[in-house]
Amino acid sequence: SQTIHQWPATLVQPVGSPLSLECTVEGTSNPNLYWYRQAAGRGLQLLFYSVGIGQISSEVPQNLSASRPQDRQFILSSKKLLLSDSGFYLCAWRRDGLGDFGPGTRLTVT
Amino acid sequence: DAKTTQPPSMDCAEGRAANLPCNHSTISGNEYVYWYRQIHSQGPQYIIHGLKNNETNEMASLIITEDRKSSTLILPHATLRDTAVYYCIGIKTSYDKVIFGPGTSLSVIP
Repeated sequence: SQTIHQWPATLVQPVGSPLSLECTVEGTSNPNLYWYRQAAGRGLQLLFYSVGIGQISSEVPQNLSASRPQDRQFILSSKKLLLSDSGFYLCAWRRDGLGDFGPGTRLTVT
Repeated sequence: DAKTTQPPSMDCAEGRAANLPCNHSTISGNEYVYWYRQIHSQGPQYIIHGLKNNETNEMASLIITEDRKSSTLILPHATLRDTAVYYCIGIKTSYDKVIFGPGTSLSVIP
């Protein structure tokens, strides 16, 4: 069966500091991978998606970037965090009609 | 992906059936209707999906109109744990990106 991992679960970072969130998937190969963000009291916003290694599509202009160095690894990064980057970050995978979301990372930028 | 329209909120008495409507008048012939839900502070959870026929699983039933312009998610015996935001989404293929709208906030009342 497939499993998706995200870490860390929670993170508190000062404004201007860098960010790296990691997501890994087990039990499948060549999945589509996604990063979503949910600001407090808001809906889920698709940030990035990837159909393969090194292939990243950005959905909205922002202070963040994504990379896919390996087939089942997806990384969300920022060089300098803004207060508006606070939120709940979710990684997801999809393949052949199946898919799941990770447990999420709650990021607070202070 | 088809744009979907859902009521922003609904109430349902505990033990009664919860019927959540979704309009997707622009859905294309090969676009599946997916339902997810998000319980507070958790990642979205897959519920059910269908193309043309009605579907049922251990969680819910999905009724799709013959013209496929709308559907209804039915939770047959709502419990307090079904309180969540429910999302109706049109997805064409296994590799489509999944874009969430605002969904319906369902409150199950004791």
